[in-house]
Amino acid sequence: SQELEQSPQSLIVQEGKNLTINCTSSKTLYGLYWYKQKYGEGLIFLMMLQKGGEEKSHEKITAKLDEKKQQSSLHITASQPSHAGIYLCGAAIGSGSRLTFGEGTQLTVNP
Amino acid sequence: DGGITQSPKYLFRKEGQNVTLSCEQNLNHDAMYWYRQDPGQGLRLIYYSQIVNDFQKGDIAEGYSVSREKKESFPLTVTSAQKNPTAFYLCASSRAGQNNEQFFGPGTRLTVL
Repeated sequence: SQELEQSPQSLIVQEGKNLTINCTSSKTLYGLYWYKQKYGEGLIFLMMLQKGGEEKSHEKITAKLDEKKQQSSLHITASQPSHAGIYLCGAAIGSGSRLTFGEGTQLTVNP
Repeated sequence: DGGITQSPKYLFRKEGQNVTLSCEQNLNHDAMYWYRQDPGQGLRLIYYSQIVNDFQKGDIAEGYSVSREKKESFPLTVTSAQKNPTAFYLCASSRAGQNNEQFFGPGTRLTVL
């Protein structure tokens, strides 16, 4: 079973719509990272959350980590075609620097 | 410009051959990582190194080998023992310790013919 569950697996939205991607674990997350990937390319860092209840925003993207540090959400407001890609959450579960990644969410934004 | 590079971008290999993927970084990072990504799946950790001349197995190390002779370089060898090597391989680096952002290279797509 996956230590980090991401949902939905894929998402198709109309340009201008809001959307949310979730990342959930049964264990405490020590550092939660959101990355974006274009198909066939490397990962681009979006945001990192550490503290329970923490929320960060960059342009139209907001990420939150719940108080128990077991669930994170990524919210995109007024989506644009440039937001299309694969969104991956990664988290440090336990000590050390290694990250565990979710399976990713494929986002398509139709103009 | 600081960054992390991988070469080649595309690699084809015949069954039974070993092949080495290159990963270089000039970010002065102590830690480096190799991941494998298959279609519809997230990243799975193959090997990681937190310091020169030391490395640890990740979740799927069988059929792979690495070396870390220099801080800047962390090459990955896919051996003939890897039963299903066709995949997208990503290298990353970070500062040592916890909760440090990992910077990713552009990836190498390996296809076994």
